[in-house]
Amino acid sequence: EAQVTQNPRYLITVTGKKLTVTCSQNMNHEYMSWYRQDPGLGLRQIYYSMNVEVTDKGDVPEGYKVSRKEKRNFPLILESPSPNQTSLYFCASSDGTSGTDTQYFGPGTRLTVL
Amino acid sequence: GQNIDQPTEMTATEGAIVQINCTYQTSGFNGLFWYQQHAGEAPTFLSYNVLDGLEEKGRFSSFLSRSKGYSYLLLKELQMKDSASYLCAVRDGDYKLSFGAGTTVTVRA
Repeated sequence: EAQVTQNPRYLITVTGKKLTVTCSQNMNHEYMSWYRQDPGLGLRQIYYSMNVEVTDKGDVPEGYKVSRKEKRNFPLILESPSPNQTSLYFCASSDGTSGTDTQYFGPGTRLTVL
Repeated sequence: GQNIDQPTEMTATEGAIVQINCTYQTSGFNGLFWYQQHAGEAPTFLSYNVLDGLEEKGRFSSFLSRSKGYSYLLLKELQMKDSASYLCAVRDGDYKLSFGAGTTVTVRA
């Protein structure tokens, strides 16, 4: 089944404790992206990757890092989480080659930073 | 990012029609998407417009006017399961995708 998976789905952590949210897709998609979703603000793009070893900042990259060492994986790293990073995070992928370029979203990771 | 505006909430009756408007400002417009998101779930793709005009897909239609920076999503024959948030998203260039805050549609019996 074609899908985007994220782990963990739920995470409660404390300020300053490094964490990684994993994202994996099995559709051989070139393009992957991370978003955070907050009430009243909608989905905001954190980082995106056009292909292996190629990443770029979205609209809200501060406090986050990403890597794209393999095509299928695109982890999101919070080196020193802070309470303002409490949010719902979505990973998405698309093949990046067609006009419609539909993005497929993972199930989401709800992060709480105390 | 882009400036994308859509109404916060709309309410309609089962069987009725609802139109969700979206206005945007962008320098490198390369397509407009509509996504549906049920509470607690991931967004799912509904429609895509890159040229002016109407795209129809069953009960859902989407319209685009690039000169006006305007799109709408039309939901016909509303069903209770259509209660969800509807997200307007604009692609700038090849890769950047910006979303509006979403419109929550409530369908009442």
